[in-house]
Amino acid sequence: GPKVLQIPSHQIIDMGQMVTLNCDPVSNHLYFYWYKQILGQQMEFLVNFYNGKVMEKSKLFKDQFSVERPDGSYFTLKIQPTALEDSAVYFCASSLVGGQAPLFGEGTRLSVL
Amino acid sequence: GQQVQQSPSSLVLQEGENAELQCNFSSTATQLQWFYQSPGGSLVSLLSNPSGTKHTGRLTSTTVTKERRSSLHISSSQTTDSGTYLCAISSGGSNYKLTFGKGTLLTVTP
Repeated sequence: GPKVLQIPSHQIIDMGQMVTLNCDPVSNHLYFYWYKQILGQQMEFLVNFYNGKVMEKSKLFKDQFSVERPDGSYFTLKIQPTALEDSAVYFCASSLVGGQAPLFGEGTRLSVL
Repeated sequence: GQQVQQSPSSLVLQEGENAELQCNFSSTATQLQWFYQSPGGSLVSLLSNPSGTKHTGRLTSTTVTKERRSSLHISSSQTTDSGTYLCAISSGGSNYKLTFGKGTLLTVTP
């Protein structure tokens, strides 16, 4: 069946560096999401994105975070600069329509040292 | 904001036993999903069940919307069912923002 792919599965970077997490959503999907899960804690909504724009973001979506999907390619989450508290697993999800249950990727584990 | 409470927080079963997981939520849910999160962290959607009863394989979910609760029944548990089961709700709108519970950690022993 259709899948949401996340690349890479694990990323290790030094604090203060920039990181870009890539998500390859299902090809005909129009709504995109990022969620964050700190180890051992609850999954939390970060942001959703439709028609080239951020629709809603949570308080976890700091000013250092940005999302884009240039020309229908990867849906990306960029963090610049990174902080220690950004260490977490980031999950991407996509759906065809807004009211539909989204399909989740397997996550990218980000370790900020 | 919305709250999702799951119980029990952990559950240990012997292979072959049945599991009953509960999810209670604080506001009306237009969408409700059950997920399985493996020990490695990857997430799989099990069922989308905003109301009524749904079955898939050994899983049965029953959601009573008016009472703001849902259950997930796993029959004849297997060791491979071990992992964390997450309940998540959305209160509607086109943004479909999911609020997750903390999960139930299920351990199935041989």
